Amino acid sequence: GENVEQHPSTLSVQEGDSAVIKCTYSDSASNYFPWYKQELGKGPQLIIDIRSNVGEKKDQRIAVTLNKTAKHFSLHITETQPEDSAVYFCAASMGSGGGADGLTFGKGTHLIIQP
Amino acid sequence: DAGVIQSPRHEVTEMGQEVTLRCKPISGHDYLFWYRQTMMRGLELLIYFNNNVPIDDSGMPEDRFSAKMPNASFSTLKIQPSEPRDSAVYFCASSLYGTEMNYGYTFGSGTRLTVV
Repeated sequence: GENVEQHPSTLSVQEGDSAVIKCTYSDSASNYFPWYKQELGKGPQLIIDIRSNVGEKKDQRIAVTLNKTAKHFSLHITETQPEDSAVYFCAASMGSGGGADGLTFGKGTHLIIQP
Repeated sequence: DAGVIQSPRHEVTEMGQEVTLRCKPISGHDYLFWYRQTMMRGLELLIYFNNNVPIDDSGMPEDRFSAKMPNASFSTLKIQPSEPRDSAVYFCASSLYGTEMNYGYTFGSGTRLTVV
């Protein structure tokens, strides 16, 4: 089955700086790569996703890049703010999105924004 | 829409007791997923349904775990008998497949289960 590795497990950055979280996946058949943000006491929330026919996607301060050849994808957060502090999860799936296959998640990155 | 609704939010039970977790997916979603989250193992897929039919239950850890989806608006995850190692946060998520509007999962707020 699919295996997703995520690094780092903890990331501390100064407010206003950029944060980058990296993931690798094992199954070349995976074609959907979402990122989730989880705040304390809440369920994960989808923040951005990318499909295998796209190399990069951006939404305001958040961007995701995908390298299919190397089987890795990354989350980039620019101009970090205190409300960005949370645990971030990457995931991979062979489905077209939420269906056809379950998501395999990375172990998570605890992002800490230092004021 | 109120989102994915899980109940109870917290459950404390004694080892050996039966535990039932409940989930109401978003109306119109055709996929429902049950995940378990622990510090050691992260988010693990237990089972998922498509149009109320179980598709893949390979993540269910043992025969003590069972899940049902009697209709499109309700699912249960049952543990019988419960053990301390079942302590975790259990999440339900739903999604709608095949549209441009929503591919991603919507998670519920989870049920924190503690087995003592």
